[in-house]
Amino acid sequence: AQSVTQPDIHITVSEGASLELRCNYSYGATPYLFWYVQSPGQGLQLLLKYFSGDTLVQGIKGFEAEFKRSQSSFNLRKPSVHWSDAAEYFCAVDDDNNAGNMLTFGGGTRLMVKP
Amino acid sequence: KAGVTQTPRYLIKTRGQQVTLSCSPISGHRSVSWYQQTPGQGLQFLFEYFSETQRNKGNFPGRFSGRQFSNSRSEMNVSTLELGDSALYLCASSGENEAFFGQGTRLTVV
Repeated sequence: AQSVTQPDIHITVSEGASLELRCNYSYGATPYLFWYVQSPGQGLQLLLKYFSGDTLVQGIKGFEAEFKRSQSSFNLRKPSVHWSDAAEYFCAVDDDNNAGNMLTFGGGTRLMVKP
Repeated sequence: KAGVTQTPRYLIKTRGQQVTLSCSPISGHRSVSWYQQTPGQGLQFLFEYFSETQRNKGNFPGRFSGRQFSNSRSEMNVSTLELGDSALYLCASSGENEAFFGQGTRLTVV
């Protein structure tokens, strides 16, 4: 069965510092991978997705992620964090026909930003 | 265009009751998926409907059911509510290899 692991439950960074959130997946075929962000009490917003091609993908809000097949990882990065980035971040893999309609999520990483 | 709309936003029910949640997808999207989010179990897939047919199902008991109408609007129903059903229920509509989520319905079972 597919699974997604986000090893860090909480991360605190200073505003302006760089950020990397880790994601490891277990999937038999070529994975279709997503990163979502959730603010308190809200739904999920898609930051970026990887289907194929260039392993470095750019997303919204200045985020990027790199797919590394050899490490089964899809880590999310941002060069300079803003206070408004404080939220919970979820990595997900698509389980069915790669349409994004049957996702397995990691446990999430809660990001706190220090002023 | 309008996003995914879930109603109601908040709901309080008593153990043993049943509840129906509604989701209106983005216009033109035919796939609607439902997820349960709890602090203990995280985000878990419930089921997906496409063109009025359940296409995928997660590992939840039969008390959780859903349906989709011809206009793609979807409802999910939970019967015989248990305290453990307290959660944020999220609906997503899919198009162009991307799922768009609603703001969720917060269900509290007392």
